[in-house]
Amino acid sequence: QSALTQPRSVSGSPGQSVTISCTGTSSDVGGYNYVSWYQQHPGKAPKLMIYDVSKRPSGVPDRFSGSKSGNTASLTISGLQAEDEADYYCCSYAGSYTFNYVFGTGTKVTVL
Amino acid sequence: QVQLVESGGGLVKPGGSLRLSCAASGFTFSDYYMSWIRQAPGKGLEWVSYISSSGSTIYYADSVKGRFTISRDNAKNSLYLQMNSLRAEDTAVYYCAAAADASFDLWGRGTLVTVSS
Repeated sequence: QSALTQPRSVSGSPGQSVTISCTGTSSDVGGYNYVSWYQQHPGKAPKLMIYDVSKRPSGVPDRFSGSKSGNTASLTISGLQAEDEADYYCCSYAGSYTFNYVFGTGTKVTVL
Repeated sequence: QVQLVESGGGLVKPGGSLRLSCAASGFTFSDYYMSWIRQAPGKGLEWVSYISSSGSTIYYADSVKGRFTISRDNAKNSLYLQMNSLRAEDTAVYYCAAAADASFDLWGRGTLVTVSS
């Protein structure tokens, strides 16, 4: 199972919006509504930001939103803030033939 | 305080073994599926293994199948990963993660495993 494809980096100024894409196949992203997104600051553990494509866990700002179209999922950060600068990873259940999860390649978000 | 704390990492020679532990606190451990997820230095995340809340259902990534064994002790609120026949490519930070459904809701801070001669 290949990793999901994400852009290596995206950037934006404070207050702007950025969108991170996550492209997979019909066996993972396109086949299930089990896409999640994780934020990871340097040296820290990942933190769940979005689950089931577009749901936000309690405590995650509503500036973070998720969506999916076909084999591509997206994470949008609106009203970008300095603390949003981090690595972001998408993840999809990929259990067509056997139980499996596949992560994305990761995207560095830079706040200019 | 809701948290997961991993331990047991270290330096091991190729072909060696290591047992990782993950201690849970602040939530009902037995209600959650658990997984191990690893991150090689400077690389992305890789799912390694899954165990159901009761421990009756277990899955592994192909990359570790036959070498790693996941287990849990709900009475001790603990998760384990026995790693045998370790290879250089197993070098990574290993995270334990709790899942109520199909996402990883809570992560530990990780423990570093280095496989090198």
